[in-house]
Amino acid sequence: TQLLEQSPQFLSIQEGENLTVYCNSSSVFSSLQWYRQEPGEGPVLLVTVVTGGEVKKLKRLTFQFGDARKDSSLHITAAQPGDTGLYLCAGVSYGNNRLAFGKGNQVVVIP
Amino acid sequence: DAGVTQSPTHLIKTRGQQVTLRCSPKSGHDTVSWYQQALGQGPQFIFQYYEEEERQRGNFPDRFSGHQFPNYSSELNVNALLLGDSALYLCASSYQGFGQPQHFGDGTRLSIL
Repeated sequence: TQLLEQSPQFLSIQEGENLTVYCNSSSVFSSLQWYRQEPGEGPVLLVTVVTGGEVKKLKRLTFQFGDARKDSSLHITAAQPGDTGLYLCAGVSYGNNRLAFGKGNQVVVIP
Repeated sequence: DAGVTQSPTHLIKTRGQQVTLRCSPKSGHDTVSWYQQALGQGPQFIFQYYEEEERQRGNFPDRFSGHQFPNYSSELNVNALLLGDSALYLCASSYQGFGQPQHFGDGTRLSIL
């Protein structure tokens, strides 16, 4: 059973469009991290959200942590081909502080 | 400032063999975690090493073992390889790592024939 469900699994959009991907769970997390992974490379940390309801912006990327600390979303404004990649969310569990990853959102931005 | 480095980058083995993968953490980091990433999946936690001891372990069989050296580098050993062990093996480092953001290497691609 996957602790974190990411949707959609695959998304293809044209350059300049906006997109939102989601990371959902029935578990509560102490914090949640988003990573981007490109082919042949390891994941790279984009942001960590800690407080329920928190919104963080990284240039054209906006990350939100749900009020109940069970879910998160990533919104990309005016997507560019350089945004192409696998976006992974990872929740930190209370107690064991273990990091659990979802399967990822594969985003393809077409020039 | 070197990031996380892993070796080798690619490896081909046959069923039943044993393999050792190596990882050097980012400078200043003392905790190393290993993950298995199958095709189309997110990374799955194997185990974490801190102060040369296994601190946490995921749902992986005893065929998967590891070691951390005094210089914080680490090895992942897999015995009696199965076809299902084919995956990208990622090493990540952090400072006193419980729940801390992970700095990943580019992984070792292991193929089992």
